[in-house]
Amino acid sequence: DAGVIQSPRHEVTEMGQEVTLRCKPISGHNSLFWYRQTMMRGLELLIYFNNNVPIDDSGMPEDRFSAKMPNASFSTLKIQPSEPRDSAVYFCASSFKGGSVEQYFGPGTRLTVT
Amino acid sequence: QKEVEQNSGPLSVPEGAIASLNCTYSDRGSQSFFWYRQYSGKSPELIMSIYSNGDKEDGRFTAQLNKASQYVSLLIRDSQPSDSATYLCAVYFGNEKLTFGTGTRLTIIP
Repeated sequence: DAGVIQSPRHEVTEMGQEVTLRCKPISGHNSLFWYRQTMMRGLELLIYFNNNVPIDDSGMPEDRFSAKMPNASFSTLKIQPSEPRDSAVYFCASSFKGGSVEQYFGPGTRLTVT
Repeated sequence: QKEVEQNSGPLSVPEGAIASLNCTYSDRGSQSFFWYRQYSGKSPELIMSIYSNGDKEDGRFTAQLNKASQYVSLLIRDSQPSDSATYLCAVYFGNEKLTFGTGTRLTIIP
């Protein structure tokens, strides 16, 4: 079975540009989580969705960050405009709400903003 | 605030020995506990889940849970160089989210 799929795997962009990260959760999972990981701050939860509805976005650092989940099989995390301090690895994870709360992570997107 | 704490290490263990990783958490009511392994440059991979007091064994891995003392540990027997990674403890506090510790970096010395 396919796991969580993320694209792109690597993104290098210049400050001020818009960045869109994409995620496809595991089929049948109804909860989706976006995380950011840096050496300084570790793994931080940015936002999560249940049944395509955003439940908690308290981890989103600023208004420059936005996330959508238009259907059960696709989510995006957008940064506009991007800044060098946004450089990090962004992970998407999914789980099945109503069963175990185990989360399964995608391979991540390594974002570098110059 | 719900917190999960781990010793950041690095923890160095000789090959073939037992590696012991520890994690404490702040909420006595927590019910679900997880260990993730993360190799450098890779994503976290779920390796153990534990829900009740006591030990749970899976191959060379044993998770131990003590809810009264609010700690969970991971033992790795017969440590191999391939076990060198960062190990993240995660706790479910009942708010639909997992709270992660900062991770313990483990190095197995051949």
